[in-house]
Parts: sequence; C-alpha cells; structure tokens
Amino acid sequence: DTGVSQDPRHKITKRGQNVTFRCDPISEHNRLYWYRQTLGQGPEFLTYFQNEAQLEKSRLLSDRFSAERPKGSFSTLEIQRTEQGDSAMYLCASSGRVGGARFDGTQYFGPGTRLTVL
Amino acid sequence: ELKVEQNPLFLSMQEGKNYTIYCNYSTTSDRLYWYRQDPGKSLESLFVLLSNGAVKQEGRLMASLDTKARLSTLHITAAVHDLSATYFCAATTSGTYKYIFGTGTRLKVLA
Repeated sequence: DTGVSQDPRHKITKRGQNVTFRCDPISEHNRLYWYRQTLGQGPEFLTYFQNEAQLEKSRLLSDRFSAERPKGSFSTLEIQRTEQGDSAMYLCASSGRVGGARFDGTQYFGPGTRLTVL
Repeated sequence: ELKVEQNPLFLSMQEGKNYTIYCNYSTTSDRLYWYRQDPGKSLESLFVLLSNGAVKQEGRLMASLDTKARLSTLHITAAVHDLSATYFCAATTSGTYKYIFGTGTRLKVLA
C-alpha cells in the first residue's frame, strides 16, 4: 500500500459548477477525514467517517458540501454550486489500526486536491 | 469547543541555534500531534503525545506535553536548513477522533 491517494490533484472550475473529489485511504484504515486548507492556515476539519458511517460534520460545511464513503473504503467529497470562497486545498487523511500495532490516532494525509473557482 | 493556538506564527532563525514552538489548547485533550508541511506538499506526521509528561525525540526535534497546562512544545536543537517548513500541532477533544489544528508556525532556517 503506497499511502493515501487523492484524485484529481488539481481542479479548475467556474463558479456555479459542481465538483467531486475522490480519496482512497490506506486499505486497513477504518477512519477517513476531510479537511480544507487555505493559504497560511492550518487544516480545517470538515467531516470524518468510521467505516461507512459519517460520525461528525463541521457546522462550517454548508449544505452545498456532501461526503460519502459508501462501502467503507474510498470516499468522495462533492461541492455543489461552487463559489470563489471554496477555492482551497482539500486534504484527505486516514487512520486506523494496522495489524497488531497499537492505535495512536496518527493521521496519514494524501497529497490534496487544489480547487480553483473562477 | 476545542481551540488550538500556536506561537510564534513565523520564526526565522540562524543555523545552529535553538528555539521552541508553543502549542496551547483550550479544553481537555487526550492526544496531541505534531505535523510538518513543506511548501506545496501535504502533511507528514512527526510525533504523537498521549499522556502528561510525554516526551518524544527525533533527530533535532523534541516534543513534550503538559496536559495540566494544556501546552505542548516542539523544541529545535541546532537548527539546520532542512528543517525549514511549517509545523502544525493538532489536538483531539477527549473521547472523539475530531482533530483541531493550530494555524501553524512557519519556520525558516537561514544559513
């Protein structure tokens, strides 16, 4: 397993369009997280899943944002009717117990999807 | 609601010098993490601190946790240029796996 992957790496879209991002976590990890990061800021929590259940969603996430993890493996983040303020890096991370190792909650991050809304 | 603050936000230091980055969090947390981010790249895990008094060291970096003071520190010893990056701390609200990140400390080590 080579780590967390995200697709696409870059997305340019026009205001009002819908976009969807995909995240493939480390295969043995049961937790998956989405964050948004803007320039000069730390990652901002959006939502997280344990297996296929979405356990928490940030109140900062408007109803234009939705995330799914249908089979407890990969996840998608969709933004509807994009706005210029949605321009940011969207990071995915996963965590979980691997083999017999102790679980300490360390998150492993993907390379991110950079969204630009024109 | 858990809040995490780091200081300083920017740090420019000479090679060979020592310095400390501070991470304060506002409510009880049972786990504290440090990450590194290089420009244009994603985050890389550095340390996990799970209990009061925990200390972890890797190379020129040492992290510690004081849960009573709600404070973690990242100490840099004899800085080298390769340590230039942004460092983030993150804490979790007790009993959850929701991670709150600080705003980061942008470190620049000058030759």
